[in-house]
Amino acid sequence: SQQGEEDPQALSIQEGENATMNCSYKTSINNLQWYRQNSGRGLVHLILIRSNEREKHSGRLRVTLDTSKKSSSLLITASRAADTASYFCATDEMGGFKTIFGAGTRLFVKA
Amino acid sequence: GAVVSQHPSWVICKSGTSVKIECRSLDFQATTMFWYRQFPKQSLMLMATSNEGSKATYEQGVEKDKFLINHASLTLSTLTVTSAHPEDSSFYICSAGTSGDEAFFGQGTRLTVV
Repeated sequence: SQQGEEDPQALSIQEGENATMNCSYKTSINNLQWYRQNSGRGLVHLILIRSNEREKHSGRLRVTLDTSKKSSSLLITASRAADTASYFCATDEMGGFKTIFGAGTRLFVKA
Repeated sequence: GAVVSQHPSWVICKSGTSVKIECRSLDFQATTMFWYRQFPKQSLMLMATSNEGSKATYEQGVEKDKFLINHASLTLSTLTVTSAHPEDSSFYICSAGTSGDEAFFGQGTRLTVV
């Protein structure tokens, strides 16, 4: 099963620009996580934001969470070609235990 | 963070044979592990939840007789793809974690059935 939608499905930007990806989910959650996946490789954990948090920063990453709208956004500032990857949000459902992934956004950063 | 090791990282098998994939938590005990499958250019789909010492819980549409899961210890879960067919070719990823915290993922296993 999949928790929700991500948009855009694909995003192409120039190096140095900011990239914003959005994620919506359906149920109440304990936390929301963002992951990066390079083509054909494993997942890299980027950031975890808990349900009682609204914003979190990590280096060039900024994540927001709006539990009233059941949505989150990931902002990558000053993007680099190396940021080219697929980005997934994943939620841990409240009262549950499993992590459910969104559809993902494929980001392409042109040098 | 905690380390989850998956083995093998890739495997090619003949149609009709079975393949076992191992998922180990190296520096922590995992009472629960999760198995995901990812087809090309798609997201990770949860297949089943593996609980130590009990039967796995499968997601809707996942054949439990085809994807055998065994969680014999607190550090090891195995997924066996039985009678594999080309349509089972996929990227299989396991994870382990605790509710409310970060889930730790293995590096994945690419299965190709020829």
